Amino acid sequence: DQQVKQNSPSLSVQEGRISILNCDYTNSMFDYFLWYKKYPAEGPTFLISISSIKDKNEDGRFTVFLNKSAKHLSLHIVPSQPGDSAVYFCAASRDSGYALNFGKGTSLLVTP
Amino acid sequence: NAGVMQNPRHLVRRRGQEARLRCSPMKGHSHVYWYRQLPEEGLKFMVYLQKENIIDESGMPKERFSAEFPKEGPSILRIQQVVRGDSAAYFCASSRDRMNTEAFFGQGTRLTVV
Repeated sequence: DQQVKQNSPSLSVQEGRISILNCDYTNSMFDYFLWYKKYPAEGPTFLISISSIKDKNEDGRFTVFLNKSAKHLSLHIVPSQPGDSAVYFCAASRDSGYALNFGKGTSLLVTP
Repeated sequence: NAGVMQNPRHLVRRRGQEARLRCSPMKGHSHVYWYRQLPEEGLKFMVYLQKENIIDESGMPKERFSAEFPKEGPSILRIQQVVRGDSAAYFCASSRDRMNTEAFFGQGTRLTVV
């Protein structure tokens, strides 16, 4: 059972524009959400996180929004850069615990 | 400060052989987690270990898979009598405390069973 869903397998955005990656979850017990970035043949790299007590967290060009009532979160990257091209995974945990539940990922391509 | 080191990066095994995957956590990290990524899937939690203890192995297949994190040396994920369905990327992550924040992942071991 896929408790974290990323319904867009891929996304293409022009350099300088905003990239919006979406993630939905089904388990209302999840209380901590993370985004990871992954390049081919490398491990996931932590990008940004948000606790369920917040609805927004910002770090430079990256902002994560959480809508608990809709069980939806999104990652905004602005402005997008070619180096942002990678697979982005949404992950969630419950009780702020250790076992992360990952989505299948969205492959972002930022074109010059 | 080296990151999480996994070896080998690539491992090819014939059906029925054993696979041993190694993970050296970051310096100062005593918590280790193993995840598996099947083709076209997200990462799936397998097991959480602290030094010499298995804390949670709820994601491990019931048979043929085992994990350890000895007092000295790396954590080992062992798969006995591998089958084609075991072909996947296996990622290890480590953290200083129980992962309430951001764990650091290794580069993974890609296991191919032929």
